[in-house]
Order: sequence, then structure tokens, then C-alpha cells
Amino acid sequence: KNQVEQSPQSLIILEGKNCTLQCNYTVSPFSNLRWYKQDTGRGPVSLTIMTFSENTKSNGRYTATLDADTKQSSLHITASQLSDSASYICVVTFRTSGTYKYIFGTGTRLKVLA
Amino acid sequence: ETGVTQTPRHLVMGMTNKKSLKCEQHLGHNAMYWYKQSAKKPLELMFVYNFKEQTENNSVPSRFSPECPNSSHLFLHLHTLQPEDSALYLCASSQAELSYEQYFGPGTRLTVT
Repeated sequence: KNQVEQSPQSLIILEGKNCTLQCNYTVSPFSNLRWYKQDTGRGPVSLTIMTFSENTKSNGRYTATLDADTKQSSLHITASQLSDSASYICVVTFRTSGTYKYIFGTGTRLKVLA
Repeated sequence: ETGVTQTPRHLVMGMTNKKSLKCEQHLGHNAMYWYKQSAKKPLELMFVYNFKEQTENNSVPSRFSPECPNSSHLFLHLHTLQPEDSALYLCASSQAELSYEQYFGPGTRLTVT
């Protein structure tokens, strides 16, 4: 069964600290993996997208890694800021019957405290 | 106005009401989507439109009726909803249906009483 699991469900850290969010998937055949940031009351905004051959991709203080062999991805946030408080959603895309399908994780809710 | 816009942002309706959600994209995209986001659940894809044609309906109850008059506008008509339909309804668009990148609107927070 195609699934995406994220951990932890929620996380509280102090401003300035680093943190790492995890995404494990069982989706096959894999096409790409995206991380989204969703602020409260807003729609998700794309942070990174990674294909099978990419191991690391950065977007400012956000760095995503992908291990296609173990089917794991992580999102590392460096020097966290209050504005990083949001939900982070992992989405895996796979191709079936000539079309793309998306499997969404339930997200990790991050709260950064001053 | 840029990006993907949705109106209204908040909606409270009774189970016997009829209402519509509106989505407009200003990105020149050809594909548009409706998603449902409930608390502690993954986003659920409801409908996909590509060049105004519906290409996907993920077993959505008939009390939700989508309409796509052109590539820039998408509606979701609601009637005789249930309390469990209360959720955040997100619209998204992408250059093409098979495109990687989807751009989301801010959503409509729907409460069914």
C-alpha cells in the first residue's frame, strides 16, 4: 500500500535552534518528493522538490535530503525563526496508468518559541 | 492580483443550504484541483480539471459538485452537506496536470452546522 508517514507529529523548539523532520514512504514507483510549508490558515507553499537522483537540496535555511534506497527523507531547519512555526507536509508523487498520483503525509506541526 | 485566490475565506452553512466556493488562478495554468483538509488527516484530492475537463473524481459524494467554466476559474458547489464535511477546502493549480509544481490558494474554512 502506498503510504507516507511523517514524524514527529508535533515539535516545539526555541528560536535559533536547529531541527529535523522525518518522512518515510512506501510509494512505488517513485517519481519525486516535495516538502511544503503551511502556515496556519493558509495554503501550502512548496519548499523543495527532489527526484530519484537527488540526495540533497537547499532552500535558504531549509535543507532536504533523500535516500531513495531506504525510502526516507528529512527536512532540516537551521537557526529556526519564529516565522518557521507552521505545518510541514511531505508529498510523494508516483506514476500509474500514465498519470501522476500524489500521496500526502499528515504533516509535522512545528512551533518555535522566543 | 497574483497567484491563486479563493473566496470566501470563511463559510458557515446549515445542512440544508446551498453555497459555492470560488477559486481563481492568475498564473496562466491549465490544471486546477480541489482538496479537502481535515484536522490531523492528510490532504485529500477531490477533483482534477485539465483544460476545463474533469480528469479525476476521487469518489467524492454528489453533494459536492465542481464546475470549471475556463482554465482560470474553478467552483465547488455545495448542497445538503453533513457536519463531517467541515474542513479547509484548498484550491490549487499547475502548469499541466502532470506538472510537479502545484500552487495553492489560501483555502476556504467551511463549517457545517
